[in-house]
Amino acid sequence: DGGITQSPKYLFRKEGQNVTLSCEQNLNHDAMYWYRQDPGQGLRLIYYSQIVNDFQKGDIAEGYSVSREKKESFPLTVTSAQKNPTAFYLCASSFQGFFNQPQHFGDGTRLSIL
Amino acid sequence: KQEVTQIPAALSVPEGENLVLNCSFTDSAIYNLQWFRQDPGKGLTSLLLIQSSQREQTSGRLNASLDKSSGRSTLYIAASQPGDSATYLCAVTTTSGSARQLTFGSGTQLTVLP
Repeated sequence: DGGITQSPKYLFRKEGQNVTLSCEQNLNHDAMYWYRQDPGQGLRLIYYSQIVNDFQKGDIAEGYSVSREKKESFPLTVTSAQKNPTAFYLCASSFQGFFNQPQHFGDGTRLSIL
Repeated sequence: KQEVTQIPAALSVPEGENLVLNCSFTDSAIYNLQWFRQDPGKGLTSLLLIQSSQREQTSGRLNASLDKSSGRSTLYIAASQPGDSATYLCAVTTTSGSARQLTFGSGTQLTVLP
């Protein structure tokens, strides 16, 4: 079955610690995205990548970092510089260059502070 | 900057009712508008995608309309069922440089009472 896999489902971060959220897709999509969702709010874009070895900041990139070494993978690191990391993180992917194709989403990772 | 608003934030209806969810956006220069469903603790599932040149899209008991000039969309759900209970988000696609981005509303939480 094609889809997007996010892991872990739940993650806890200690003070001063960096944590990495995994996102893998087997849909052969070129573009991948990371969103943050806070309670009662819509999704906000953290980073996106249109192609391997390239990525761009979204609206709220401060305190986060990403890499795109493989087409299938787009991990997100929440660094200690992100002072309010508690949120639900969603990864998505899409075909690039096709503006009328929907984005496909994973089931999310919920990050909390210990 | 594009802003998307969804009203009401929450809605509770008895089973069998027809209902309308509203979405408005500030910049009419969009490529498309999507309606998503999100179940608690899960990712997003795309329900309907309306291209900017279209007026509406239908899928089963769902009908979405788009009035680009006035910056409005509605999602009509016919004969609501308890299984329709979820949060419904709308999102518009715009371009930022060479990339396309989704801007999300904060969602309408729907509860259908048996």
